[in-house]
Amino acid sequence: KAGVTQTPRYLIKTRGQQVTLSCSPISGHRSVSWYQQTPGQGLQFLFEYFSETQRNKGNFPGRFSGRQFSNSRSEMNVSTLELGDSALYLCASSQWTDANTGELFFGEGSRLTVL
Amino acid sequence: KNQVEQSPQSLIILEGKNCTLQCNYTVSPFSNLRWYKQDTGRGPVSLTIMTFSENTKSNGRYTATLDADTKQSSLHITASQLSDSASYICVVRGAGNMLTFGGGTRLMVKP
Repeated sequence: KAGVTQTPRYLIKTRGQQVTLSCSPISGHRSVSWYQQTPGQGLQFLFEYFSETQRNKGNFPGRFSGRQFSNSRSEMNVSTLELGDSALYLCASSQWTDANTGELFFGEGSRLTVL
Repeated sequence: KNQVEQSPQSLIILEGKNCTLQCNYTVSPFSNLRWYKQDTGRGPVSLTIMTFSENTKSNGRYTATLDADTKQSSLHITASQLSDSASYICVVRGAGNMLTFGGGTRLMVKP
């Protein structure tokens, strides 16, 4: 069974640009969540989607947005990039069953550098 | 406010030694608590899950404990190996399936 796939793995942008990151969840998983990870802040929750609907949202500015498609694939977008947006962006998928109880399966992440 | 505090922030031990990582939480109501291991440059991977009724659970050399009364969990690593060098993240699930993440403990195992 293929794991969570995130693309691109690495990217460099300049301030003011925008970026779109993609995430393909494990087959059958309908929940996709996104996280920002920086050395100083640890994992910070961005948002969670379930069946194309945003179910939860973290405390990030409106420059951060996301969406989920009917095939459960998800994208997140960051507009007007700032230096502080440099981070590892992790996507996780989940399948809600009694046995799983919401275990997150993470991708390898997309490392964004903003210059 | 829901919070998860992990200690220590970082830890260096010699190969073969044991260590214990701590996780204190204020999340209420409590659903479950997971420990994740994150190797450098990789995504986190679940090690174990603790529910309200469980006190201890083992996964190989990893043993997690939970005291729901004091809202504390620990992750004990026995006979550490170089491959245990990683960040260990405590994640608590509360109401509305909201997750609260700890800041992690960075463990380095030296030969």
